[in-house]
Amino acid sequence: SQELEQSPQSLIVQEGKNLTINCTSSKTLYGLYWYKQKYGEGLIFLMMLQKGGEEKSHEKITAKLDEKKQQSSLHITASQPSHAGIYLCGAPYTGTASKLTFGTGTRLQVTL
Amino acid sequence: DTGVSQNPRHKITKRGQNVTFRCDPISEHNRLYWYRQTLGQGPEFLTYFQNEAQLEKSRLLSDRFSAERPKGSFSTLEIQRTEQGDSAMYLCASSLAGGHRGQFFGPGTRLTVL
Repeated sequence: SQELEQSPQSLIVQEGKNLTINCTSSKTLYGLYWYKQKYGEGLIFLMMLQKGGEEKSHEKITAKLDEKKQQSSLHITASQPSHAGIYLCGAPYTGTASKLTFGTGTRLQVTL
Repeated sequence: DTGVSQNPRHKITKRGQNVTFRCDPISEHNRLYWYRQTLGQGPEFLTYFQNEAQLEKSRLLSDRFSAERPKGSFSTLEIQRTEQGDSAMYLCASSLAGGHRGQFFGPGTRLTVL
């Protein structure tokens, strides 16, 4: 079974709509990273959450970490075609934050 | 551009051949990571270096795989006697050491083994 489960697996939203992607861990979280990936390309770092209850925003993307629930959510406000891609969450399951374990990703399509 | 770079971007090889990939990390980053990603999956950790020392290797890294970072700067990943199951995107990332630091990824090398 996956240590990090993402939901939904895929999402199609109309431009201008809001959306939320969830990432749930089966183990204690020491932090949580969010990345975006275009097909066939590398991962683009979005943000890193370290503490329970932490919330970060960058442009129209907001991410929160709920350590008690071992869960993080990524929220996009007023989606645009440029938001389309695969969103991946990754977690360092060690305190030294060496390797990351990733979820399988959420594929987002934004229609006009 | 001061991001992570990887070469080549694409490699097509025949089964049984050896291939080598290179990764140049962000210059001040002392940690360098290799991951492998197959279609529809998230990246899977292969190995990481702190400076020139290889500190951890995944069980995914069979004895056909070897990685080096001889001077603590760029790194190479070699796959000997490639198999069709080695076909994947090979991703390199770098970060600063200590605590939780963002890992920044390169564009990847897509390997196709025929």
